[in-house]
Amino acid sequence: DTGVSQDPRHKITKRGQNVTFRCDPISEHNRLYWYRQTLGQGPEFLTYFQNEAQLEKSRLLSDRFSAERPKGSFSTLEIQRTEQGDSAMYLCASSSSGKETQYFGPGTRLLVL
Amino acid sequence: EDQVTQSPEALRLQEGESSSLNCSYTVSGLRGLFWYRQDPGKGPEFLFTLYSAGEEKEKERLKATLTKKESFLHITAPKPEDSATYLCAVQAGSGGSYIPTFGRGTSLIVHP
Repeated sequence: DTGVSQDPRHKITKRGQNVTFRCDPISEHNRLYWYRQTLGQGPEFLTYFQNEAQLEKSRLLSDRFSAERPKGSFSTLEIQRTEQGDSAMYLCASSSSGKETQYFGPGTRLLVL
Repeated sequence: EDQVTQSPEALRLQEGESSSLNCSYTVSGLRGLFWYRQDPGKGPEFLFTLYSAGEEKEKERLKATLTKKESFLHITAPKPEDSATYLCAVQAGSGGSYIPTFGRGTSLIVHP
């Protein structure tokens, strides 16, 4: 069990640029979640996949955010036209159907200058 | 709307000084309550899942308990390496959503 992995671990970008993050879940997990976390807060839900289907998106997720999981394995989260308010830790988690516990990756820390 | 409130926000203990962290929740039908540990700059690390009132789980110096309104994370004789932020999350049973709601966490510092 290699756990959930995320890449890159850190990203610094200029306002207005696009960024893309990758998440590789635990291999036997069919559910994948993206969260955002800022300092002093708990993780905030962004979106959720079961296999390749995106089943739920937070109403807080602006049109600049898009996520994909094309083959039901790894997932990407893209942020277009980044803003300084997008600076945060982006976390990915995975779980199996019928088992509620989510396991988190190490996160990608984004800084928008 | 599901709500999770953790207290205290921060806690400082001396090594060996036992204490408890609280997680109060409001949810329409609890599917599960989760405790995670998070070190600075890292992702949350899973500790426990509790499903029903009266359930208890233990791991080393940590013990989690659950009632119908709250959960406690008891830390017995803590060590400096137990210093971290402890997050609580609840998952509602109604509506089929698998999305947990997280609290803001309790930041624990254990002094040697």
